[in-house]
Amino acid sequence: NAGVTQTPKFQVLKTGQSMTLQCAQDMNHEYMSWYRQDPGMGLRLIHYSVGAGITDQGEVPNGYNVSRSTTEDFPLRLLSAAPSQTSVYFCASRPRRKPYNEQFFGPGTRLTVL
Amino acid sequence: KNQVEQSPQSLIILEGKNCTLQCNYTVSPFSNLRWYKQDTGRGPVSLTIMTFSENTKSNGRYTATLDADTKQSSLHITASQLSDSASYICVVSDRSNTGKLIFGQGTTLQVKP
Repeated sequence: NAGVTQTPKFQVLKTGQSMTLQCAQDMNHEYMSWYRQDPGMGLRLIHYSVGAGITDQGEVPNGYNVSRSTTEDFPLRLLSAAPSQTSVYFCASRPRRKPYNEQFFGPGTRLTVL
Repeated sequence: KNQVEQSPQSLIILEGKNCTLQCNYTVSPFSNLRWYKQDTGRGPVSLTIMTFSENTKSNGRYTATLDADTKQSSLHITASQLSDSASYICVVSDRSNTGKLIFGQGTTLQVKP
């Protein structure tokens, strides 16, 4: 199993540009999430999905869109990049079954917006 | 408000020494508490997961404790190694349908030779 994969690893954008961060998992997990990690702060939830075709907003959703057309893929779209979106982005997945719902993280995408 | 607070923010120890990291939470209703290790430039990796009925869990040289009454957890690292240098993140899950995760800000540990 490759686990959770993310592409690209690094990206530099100019303000106003759009892009898609890719995330895929091969563990057949129902739940997938996107987080951003900023210095001195805990990971913050952007969007999440509890299954194909179902998405919902997390703590900091503004400026981001997601879709979940398959169980495996959960791309994150930046519509019009802003310097405040400079961050490290992590995708994660976990199974729905109880009790532990252990979450697996991807390696991250480091995004810089100039 | 559901919160997870970790202390200290950073810590430097000598190789071979022990250390203890702290986590206090106010998440309710509580489901489980996890400790993650995050190496620089990598995603977090799970070390331990504990429910309210478990008060100790070990993973090699890592031992986590949980006091559900005082809402405190600790992560004890024994005989530290250089490879233990990382950020350690405490994460608490609530009992909602989606098991919402609340993340602490992490403790950065540096182990020096």
